[in-house]
Amino acid sequence: KNEVEQSPQNLTAQEGEFITINCSYSVGISALHWLQQHPGGGIVSLFMLSSGKKKHGRLIATINIQEKHSSLHITASHPRDSAVYICAGRPYYNTDKLIFGTGTRLQVFP
Amino acid sequence: DTEVTQTPKHLVMGMTNKKSLKCEQHMGHRAMYWYKQKAKKPPELMFVYSYEKLSINESVPSRFSPECPNSSLLNLHLHALQPEDSALYLCASSQPLGEGAVQPQHFGDGTRLSIL
Repeated sequence: KNEVEQSPQNLTAQEGEFITINCSYSVGISALHWLQQHPGGGIVSLFMLSSGKKKHGRLIATINIQEKHSSLHITASHPRDSAVYICAGRPYYNTDKLIFGTGTRLQVFP
Repeated sequence: DTEVTQTPKHLVMGMTNKKSLKCEQHMGHRAMYWYKQKAKKPPELMFVYSYEKLSINESVPSRFSPECPNSSLLNLHLHALQPEDSALYLCASSQPLGEGAVQPQHFGDGTRLSIL
């Protein structure tokens, strides 16, 4: 079992829909990252959070430390949001490392 | 535009060739990372340099040789690679632990490597 699990693996949506991607982890982490990767492209860091909630534009990330769970929400989704979204935890046992989830492939159709 | 610059963007090489991948950042970060990413898989950590010293080697084969000549540059020297080494190679940088709160990693666009 992976130390960081994501769901769903694949997600399709119509433009304008509210989207939620979930991430659960089984190890103690000092921070959790949400990353975005477009096809064939590099990775963009969307959020890094240790507690609570962060918002940037139409993106919202939340984390519940007690439940070891984080969510990424996209409001008013747009086709340009189509990408792979990856959560990654920075474990206490080695804070130089990131443990990656398997990613969620999102396609938003017009 | 990414703040971490990787060159070349694409590289095709034979199994007997020697080539190098380069990564550069000017954000003053003192930790730099090499990742390997196969198609439809998450990145896998290869190496971490902290203050220009190798701090993590994830049991990477010796045909991959990292080098950190200064705090802004990170190289990955390649020699006698195998077809299964074809992948996207990503570089990232951050402030290392000890420089205050945990900082996010900034990724480059990657070098897509194909081994013939």
